[in-house]
Order: sequence, then C-alpha cells, then structure tokens
Amino acid sequence: DTGVSQDPRHKITKRGQNVTFRCDPISEHNRLYWYRQTLGQGPEFLTYFQNEAQLEKSRLLSDRFSAERPKGSFSTLEIQRTEQGDSAMYLCASSLGWGDSGANVLTFGAGSRLTVL
Amino acid sequence: QQPVQSPQAVILREGEDAVINCSSSKALYSVHWYRQKHGEAPVFLMILLKGGEQKGHDKISASFNEKKQQSSLYLTASQLSYSGTYFCGSSGGSNYKLTFGKGTLLTVNP
Repeated sequence: DTGVSQDPRHKITKRGQNVTFRCDPISEHNRLYWYRQTLGQGPEFLTYFQNEAQLEKSRLLSDRFSAERPKGSFSTLEIQRTEQGDSAMYLCASSLGWGDSGANVLTFGAGSRLTVL
Repeated sequence: QQPVQSPQAVILREGEDAVINCSSSKALYSVHWYRQKHGEAPVFLMILLKGGEQKGHDKISASFNEKKQQSSLYLTASQLSYSGTYFCGSSGGSNYKLTFGKGTLLTVNP
C-alpha cells in the first residue's frame, strides 16, 4: 500500500480562479477527511466522509468550498473563486473506523499546498 | 474546541528528556499524538482512549487523565530524529472527528 496520495502537491493560482485537489486514500479505509493547515497552526478540520456520504462539514467552510467522494473511493476538494486567505496546506487523511467508539487512527497524505496570488 | 498545548517550543540537547502537555476544556473521549517534520505529513505516534491509560513506544510514552482532561507526551533520552512539531488531537463524544492543538516545536541539537 502506498499510503494516502494527494495531487497536486503544489498549486499557484490567481485570485478568483477555481482549483481542485484530489485525494486517494488507503484502499481499505472507509473514512476520509480534509483538513487545512496554515503556518504555525495545527490541522483544522474541514469535512469528513464515511464511504461516499459527507457526514460533517465545518462551519468555517464557506459555500465556495465543495468536497465529493464518489463511490467511496477517491475524493476531490474544489475551491471556487479563490481568495488570498485560502492559501494554506490542504491535508487529506483516511482511517478505518465504525461507530462512535474505538480507535480511529488517521493516516495523512503529504498535502496540497495552495498559494493564491 | 481546540486543545491547548504547552510549551509552544522546546530546545533540547541529544539525550535530554522533554514533556509536552495537552489540555482541553471539554470532556475527552480520546487523545491522539502526531509528529510532523517540516514539509511532511503528520505521522501517528499513539492513541489513548478514556480510562486513564498510559502507553509507551520505544522512548516515547504518553498518559491520559480523563478527569483532568489532560494528556502528556514524554520523550526520554531524545534523539536527533525526534525533532519536529508535535500535535495532540482530541475527540469528545465520538471518535471520528479530531480537533488538533497548535503544536509544540521540538528541536533536538547534537
């Protein structure tokens, strides 16, 4: 298993453009997460999927952000009309978990760094 | 709610010990510890579930006091490879959503 893959690793875009990031989780993992990380901060939760269902979305996420996980495999995170404040590292993580109890260990990808000029 | 980590940064010489603390104002179900090196993904170290357990992995161990809503990470006889930013992630009520602290930057010098 190659772990969690993210693409692209780096993206530079101009303000107002749309960008899309892709995440390929560990194949047997049913849960997938998107986090955002800025310099000097910890990862900040954006959204969570269990299989193909998006079960939670952070209130911090504006309507410009949308995430999908068709067929419960890879996921995409799209940011429309990017703003300079969107510049950050976007981390994808996956895990194998059921119910509300037990361990739920996240495996992170290396991230997609977005720079909005 | 975001857990609070202390200290924000610590500098050690190889072989010295360090303690990193993580506390929350909300009841905790579990605490996760991750280490992130510059430009890399956070890497899982250990998880502690409520029950006041303590875990160890090589020379890195952790404790979890659910009554005090605190966890501590202990690094003994530090090695150069321990350098990085350590994050605690907490979940309360359910296990699927982790909220991370701001991190503790650990630098181990020769």
